[in-house]
Amino acid sequence: SYVLAQPPSVSVAPGQTASITCGGNNLGSKNVHWYQQKPGQAPVLVVYDDSDRPSGIPERFSGSNSGNTATLTISRVEAGDEADYYCQVWDSGSDQVWVWVFGGGTKLTVL
Amino acid sequence: QVQLQESGPGLVKPSQTLSLTCSVSGGSISSSGYYWSWIRQLPGRGLEYIGYIFYSGSTSYNPSLKSRVSMSQDTSKNQFSLRLTSVTAADTAIYYCVRIVGTIGYFDPWGQGTLVTVSS
Repeated sequence: SYVLAQPPSVSVAPGQTASITCGGNNLGSKNVHWYQQKPGQAPVLVVYDDSDRPSGIPERFSGSNSGNTATLTISRVEAGDEADYYCQVWDSGSDQVWVWVFGGGTKLTVL
Repeated sequence: QVQLQESGPGLVKPSQTLSLTCSVSGGSISSSGYYWSWIRQLPGRGLEYIGYIFYSGSTSYNPSLKSRVSMSQDTSKNQFSLRLTSVTAADTAIYYCVRIVGTIGYFDPWGQGTLVTVSS
């Protein structure tokens, strides 16, 4: 089955830029989606199809995907951005069964 | 704006069946183009896709859970449901119902989630 790898944690000072990576085999050939989850809340979509933002998501959130790595970039980080972030892709698997796969999540700490 | 809400028992005994229902408002589950799914979050962090039901009623499940999972829908009530049989403590998790946007797309929106604990 397809595996997505994320660093367990990333720390950044307010006002700086946070980069959260997601690694997978030939990931650039897939559409990567990103979710933000704050404590006690359900995940919220922040980037879809590699780099598109849903309405209501600040422009500070951006994404890219190439080769084996996708990156979620959060510019001008604010205290309210502190959360867990998950990447996700769709995979057909060896038996052609559709499976949606998540990375293990990255905890963003705002120092 | 579509909203989803999970409901069901918060405590299930080992070896029994977990049953949850998702009520959808602001949109019809019979609308073409959308898949309706269940995702769970195991203690600690990880998110695990369980399966989906399409508006036509067709289903597909994560191979890791396929032998124990079934999903159904009640279009008259605009609800869809999850059944997970032979549960163990490893099935203790927060269960979310979520819409899948696009044929192989992303999850949006999510229900608030419901904690199900498997314990005697």
